Amino acid sequence: DTAVSQTPKYLVTQMGNDKSIKCEQNLGHDTMYWYKQDSKKFLKIMFSYNNKELIINETVPNRFSPKSPDKAHLNLHINSLELGDSAVYFCASSPGGRNTEAFFGQGTRLTVV
Amino acid sequence: GQQVMQIPQYQHVQEGEDFTTYCNSSTTLSNIQWYKQRPGGHPVFLIQLVKSGEVKKQKRLTFQFGEAKKNSSLHITATQTTDVGTYFCAENSGTYKYIFGTGTRLKVLA
Repeated sequence: DTAVSQTPKYLVTQMGNDKSIKCEQNLGHDTMYWYKQDSKKFLKIMFSYNNKELIINETVPNRFSPKSPDKAHLNLHINSLELGDSAVYFCASSPGGRNTEAFFGQGTRLTVV
Repeated sequence: GQQVMQIPQYQHVQEGEDFTTYCNSSTTLSNIQWYKQRPGGHPVFLIQLVKSGEVKKQKRLTFQFGEAKKNSSLHITATQTTDVGTYFCAENSGTYKYIFGTGTRLKVLA
């Protein structure tokens, strides 16, 4: 029943490792997003996809690579994890267009040690 | 680039007191949306305002959009412990991203 689901909810890993976060939405939305929320709660857009196509890459390091196998899924792979990557990562989706709301997944708390 | 600031950053209130958070943009906004994020949770959409000077109410919550469409406010009357969380304003300008404000963290003391 969950509209936007992310896995895993928690991720603890060592510096230098590679990890992936998966996201799926069952709302039939065309647009999906990845947001990063830091310790001060700022929500910053990382990527947006529309119908599997990358639309926005907001100056995110190349170590972050999103992949959208179909419009219901948007995964995030992170290479060579750094301490500064520790944050909560939110996947979201929306129907696209102005005046539409975003639906967020429950978030993935990534801790790099 | 566009910046959306919210004040205050933090607010502690006694239960039953009123609370207001203000959202200010450096540019004219197409719309303003408000989201609530409970502690440990994810942002959840509350409401959207589109017209200049628009006011909307949801029970104890009152939302306003400024005449110049560069600012907005959320006012909660008689706060309850269930109001705890971080409140974000955001704009969806139709450019495939939501620009979020800096957020206001509300703590309600019983």
